[in-house]
Parts: sequence; C-alpha cells; structure tokens
Amino acid sequence: NAGVTQTPKFQVLKTGQSMTLQCAQDMNHNSMYWYRQDPGMGLRLIYYSASEGTTDKGEVPNGYNVSRLNKREFSLRLESAAPSQTSVYFCASSENFGRLSSGANVLTFGAGSRLTVL
Amino acid sequence: KNQVEQSPQSLIILEGKNCTLQCNYTVSPFSNLRWYKQDTGRGPVSLTIMTFSENTKSNGRYTATLDADTKQSSLHITASQLSDSASYICVVSSKGGSYIPTFGRGTSLIVHP
Repeated sequence: NAGVTQTPKFQVLKTGQSMTLQCAQDMNHNSMYWYRQDPGMGLRLIYYSASEGTTDKGEVPNGYNVSRLNKREFSLRLESAAPSQTSVYFCASSENFGRLSSGANVLTFGAGSRLTVL
Repeated sequence: KNQVEQSPQSLIILEGKNCTLQCNYTVSPFSNLRWYKQDTGRGPVSLTIMTFSENTKSNGRYTATLDADTKQSSLHITASQLSDSASYICVVSSKGGSYIPTFGRGTSLIVHP
C-alpha cells in the first residue's frame, strides 16, 4: 500500500521548458490536490479535483495546468517554466472533498517533488 | 480572509525537554483544526484533529488544546525526542462555503541531543 506516489522526486529545468509532475494514489480516494511549498510561505493550493472528471483552481493556479486522468492519477503541467515556479510540489488525496470541512477525512500527502527552474 | 498564524517560527530545544507550539486562526465559521507533522523531505502527516466541542486531545507525547472562544490552539510535546525534529503545521477548516482548508506556515522544531 504505497499511498500517494509522486514522480519525479527531483527535476531541474531551464526557463521556458515544459514538464509534467505525475501523481497516483492507491487508496480509492475521490479527491486529489496539488500544493506548492515555499520557504516561509507554507503550503498553497494550486489546483484540485473534487472527483474524477472535475478540476478547479486553487489559490495560485497561474502558470499551471492539471489533468485528472482517472480516479487514481492527477498530473500537474508547467507549460513554460519560470524561476518563480522553483518550489517543492506536493500531491495529496482525500476520501471525499466535501467532507474535508467536517474533519471526517484527512489529506494524505505524497513525499514531494523538488523542482528548480534556472 | 481566513488566516492561520503560528508561533514561534522556529524553536530549538534539548532532548527530553517539553515545548509548546501556538496557532491562532481567524477562520469562520470554524469546523475543525488539524495539526500535521512534516519531517524533512517528506509530506505532512496528520497528528490530531480538534473539533469545536473538544478542548484537549492527546496522541502519545503530543497533546493538542483548543479554545474556540479565543480562536487559539496549542500543541504540547512532552519529553521531546530527536525524532520530534520536524515542521509542525496547523490547518483549519470552515463549515460550508469553501471546503479548502487554510494552512499555517508551520513551526520548525529542532531537538538537540
């Protein structure tokens, strides 16, 4: 039972290059999320998918696109990377988006993907 | 705007000592508050959840408290161990409206031998 798996763990890009971060969960969760974590900023939500077939913008969506490929997989794409996108990216999942506010379920995070844009 | 403020930003203690981390929030209406532990190079992991009616909850050497009137929570760590070295993140959720939890910036704890 791997939980939430992210690939790659590390990536270095040049400004303007594109790349996709992959995320897969094996807990049969309905909802998935992409966060970025910067020093002193805490975790900020980029995009989320409340259920298969839906995606919505979070707090900092500019410069990113997402795809909910199926129930297990949720990818994050940087079309033209910028140095401001240097960060650690975390994928997370939860059983049900609407129940997050009730505390009935919890966010399960992956180990993170460290991205550097030169 | 919903906000979660944590203090101190960082803390260094000796192994075996106790410490208390603080979390103040303005999230309204309040639903629940979670404390997460994030080890270096790993994703956050939930330690405990506090709902409106709960004042104190323990998880081993970790004890969380909640004062919903003053909108404050604390995480007390007893008899600290080297493995407690991590970032501790306070996350608050509201009822209705946005289902997106609000994250604090975390407190970085270093336990020295």
